[in-house]
Amino acid sequence: GEDVEQSLFLSVREGDSSVINCTYTDSSSTYLYWYKQEPGAGLQLLTYIFSNMDMKQDQRLTVLLNKKDKHLSLRIADTQTGDSAIYFCAERLHNTDKLIFGTGTRLQVFP
Amino acid sequence: EPEVTQTPSHQVTQMGQEVILRCVPISNHLYFYWYRQILGQKVEFLVSFYNNEISEKSEIFDDQFSVERPDGSNFTLKIRSTKLEDSAMYFCAGGGENTQYFGPGTRLTVL
Repeated sequence: GEDVEQSLFLSVREGDSSVINCTYTDSSSTYLYWYKQEPGAGLQLLTYIFSNMDMKQDQRLTVLLNKKDKHLSLRIADTQTGDSAIYFCAERLHNTDKLIFGTGTRLQVFP
Repeated sequence: EPEVTQTPSHQVTQMGQEVILRCVPISNHLYFYWYRQILGQKVEFLVSFYNNEISEKSEIFDDQFSVERPDGSNFTLKIRSTKLEDSAMYFCAGGGENTQYFGPGTRLTVL
């Protein structure tokens, strides 16, 4: 069935890189997404990648997709305290509108 | 930058009552969605809406639920007779074919 999994917590020092990982089970994904949720706020679309791409870079964010292993990662370079939030991975399957979300990874950045 | 807005931010209701949750998507969005997140659980897809009709719905979206876009701007989710298990954060989203931009959510509490 469709399932998206993430580790629950990640703690990094300010200035270091953060890598948030996600695995999914359905190989018919067309797009994969990363969303950020700050306390009391909605889901902010950070970036997304088409399933035939391996990598996408957008300023401090780098998305890597390993389709063979069904593994998606989000790397945040030079992590700042303002990056502290919950990060959700989501996939969109072929011929469907819905996004299937992971559990979310809480990123904590300490000075 | 325009954002998806939702009202109210928090709704408290008695079991069995009807509630209407409102969303104003960004004006050039063509696709509209409702998701919910029960506390401690994943974000779940409810329904998608395109060209003034439902394009896809999940098993959760039973006869108790309905959506409409009555005036071309507001997009509403109605729950006819709320149950305790409807308590959740409800997110509206809008977007183009491949992107979904989320609102801040309405927290629904059913007593």
